[in-house]
Amino acid sequence: EDQVTQSPEALRLQEGESSSLNCSYTVSGLRGLFWYRQDPGKGPEFLFTLYSAGEEKEKERLKATLTKKESFLHITAPKPEDSATYLCAVQEAGANSKLTFGKGITLSVRP
Amino acid sequence: NAGVTQTPKFQVLKTGQSMTLQCAQDMNHNSMYWYRQDPGMGLRLIYYSASEGTTDKGEVPNGYNVSRLNKREFSLRLESAAPSQTSVYFCASTIRAPYGYTFGSGTRLTVV
Repeated sequence: EDQVTQSPEALRLQEGESSSLNCSYTVSGLRGLFWYRQDPGKGPEFLFTLYSAGEEKEKERLKATLTKKESFLHITAPKPEDSATYLCAVQEAGANSKLTFGKGITLSVRP
Repeated sequence: NAGVTQTPKFQVLKTGQSMTLQCAQDMNHNSMYWYRQDPGMGLRLIYYSASEGTTDKGEVPNGYNVSRLNKREFSLRLESAAPSQTSVYFCASTIRAPYGYTFGSGTRLTVV
């Protein structure tokens, strides 16, 4: 059973059409949940870390939220430059600093 | 402002050949990691080094070895490459838990 499941696998939006990306996790003790952005041919780029249920963080058009079972990455009024693959990862308590990643969500924003 | 540097960026190997992927970070990070990324599989941990002088297996270690040469450098070796090792390899580092990783730009490896 996957510890981290992201949905949907792919999402196509019109510019300005807000939506949310989901990341559900099943670790027993969460030390941190991480969101990364990955552009084609590049390494993942850090976006956010969330540590406890109820926490929220924002950066430009992105807002990440966390509950005890899942995290959402909300994209408000997206632009074509927001097109990328968004990766979610969890760090389990007691697991050193290892991150376990989901398979990612590919977002395409049409002008 | 280098961050995590991986070399080479691209490599083609024949089955059975060996090679070493190099990774260096200049952020004084304690922990370093090697992941592979395959279509539909996400990022999977191969090996990691929680601190200088230690290494541990990750999720998919078979066919690989690693060396934490010093605090800055962490190399990944393929002793006898197989087509199943065709992938994009990423090195990453972090100061410690619970901080996130900084990734390199990747090595695209093809084994024919």
